[in-house]
Amino acid sequence: GAGVSQSPSNKVTEKGKDVELRCDPISGHTALYWYRQSLGQGLEFLIYFQGNSAPDKSGLPSDRFSAERTGGSVSTLTIQRTQQEDSAVYLCASSFGSKEQYFGPGTRLTVT
Amino acid sequence: QKEVEQDPGPLSVPEGAIVSLNCTYSNSAFQYFMWYRQYSRKGPELLMYTYSSGNKEDGRFTAQVDKSSKYISLFIRDSQPSDSATYLCAMLNQAGTALIFGKGTTLSVSS
Repeated sequence: GAGVSQSPSNKVTEKGKDVELRCDPISGHTALYWYRQSLGQGLEFLIYFQGNSAPDKSGLPSDRFSAERTGGSVSTLTIQRTQQEDSAVYLCASSFGSKEQYFGPGTRLTVT
Repeated sequence: QKEVEQDPGPLSVPEGAIVSLNCTYSNSAFQYFMWYRQYSRKGPELLMYTYSSGNKEDGRFTAQVDKSSKYISLFIRDSQPSDSATYLCAMLNQAGTALIFGKGTTLSVSS
C-alpha cells in the first residue's frame, strides 16, 4: 500500500520567510510524528499527534515552529520567520501503535 | 552525556562479512529498541524492534539487547553491497510518544 508521503521534496526559502511542509500519513494510522534531521544533531523529535488527544509539542525548538493535523489525517508543519539554522531534512512518520513508526522521504529545507 | 550514543563510523567491510553495529544508552527505563536503515536522501526504514532484553532474528539480521549493560547490537550476516547505508538505533521514550535516535553508523559493503 501507499507509504507516508511528504511535500514538497525540496524547499529553498529566504531567511525571514514562512514555510509550510505537508505530510500525508499511511491510511488508518492514528499517530503522526514530525522529526528533524540535521548533520550536527542527527534525528530529533519535534511533535506527536495521536487521535484527538492534545499533541506532544515538547520537541519543538522555538515558538516559530507549529504544527496541526486536520481531520486526524494530513498534517502541516509551519516554520515562521525562518532562520539559517532551520535548514535540515524534516521527516514525518506515522504508526498505528507507537513502536512501528514508518517514515516518509522527507522535505529538504534550505534557508538562504 | 547524550541519551543514545552510536559510533558514526564509517565502517567498511567486504561482501559476505558479518557486521556488528552497536549503541549504548543512559536511560534504564527504555523498554523498546529499534533499528532503522537509511539510504542516502531517503527516509529511515524500520528493520526490526525488540522489547526488553534478548535477541530477535529476521533473515540475515539479528538484534540483541543487554539492558544490564545498556547496550544494543545489530548483526548483519553475509553482508551485501545493498546493505550499504546508514544504520540508526532508536529507543522509544517513556511516554511512548517519540523515538530517541543515535546519530547513525555509515556502513559500506564492497563487492
